[in-house]
Amino acid sequence: AQSVTQLDSHVSVSEGTPVLLRCNYSSSYSPSLFWYVQHPNKGLQLLLKYTSAATLVKGINGFEAEFKKSETSFHLTKPSAHMSDAAEYFCVVSYNTDKLIFGTGTRLQVFP
Amino acid sequence: SQTIHQWPATLVQPVGSPLSLECTVEGTSNPNLYWYRQAAGRGLQLLFYSVGIGQISSEVPQNLSASRPQDRQFILSSKKLLLSDSGFYLCAWSRGGKDYGYTFGSGTRLTVV
Repeated sequence: AQSVTQLDSHVSVSEGTPVLLRCNYSSSYSPSLFWYVQHPNKGLQLLLKYTSAATLVKGINGFEAEFKKSETSFHLTKPSAHMSDAAEYFCVVSYNTDKLIFGTGTRLQVFP
Repeated sequence: SQTIHQWPATLVQPVGSPLSLECTVEGTSNPNLYWYRQAAGRGLQLLFYSVGIGQISSEVPQNLSASRPQDRQFILSSKKLLLSDSGFYLCAWSRGGKDYGYTFGSGTRLTVV
């Protein structure tokens, strides 16, 4: 079955240190991949997306992600965490239709 | 530009009471529309989606129903709420196709007491 796996349910970092949120998807021809962020009691906001163009994708707020087909991964990174980055992050994949398959989410905590 | 509106932001309802949540999209036509629920500590569950007026697909059996009376209006309803209906409800729209992703509304926090 087509799926997406977020390997960490919680990630904690100190402010100013790098962020790595991991995501793997089930292998399929030409997936589209997305990262969304959700702050408490808010809707989901699109951070970035990969749609078969450049494999390194830059998004908003300094985030980026690299599509690695050989590893079926789409990890989200940021060089330096900010307190405002604390939120829930969802890795999402779509294959042949606009139906999105959501990961279970990673809660990012940022300590001062 | 396209915008999506969802209301109310919060709602506290007694068990057995009816429910109506509304979602509207502006700035586009014939969008695909979605209702999701997010229970505490859990991921997103797709409840309903619609590809056109009057066309509703249900993903899971439940106490809820959805309707699309107009092209850009999507309504989530219940005749009698259960405690298990509590959660965070999100409306979303898309253009269709696998490359666009969804745009989400700001959500409704429903607490059934």
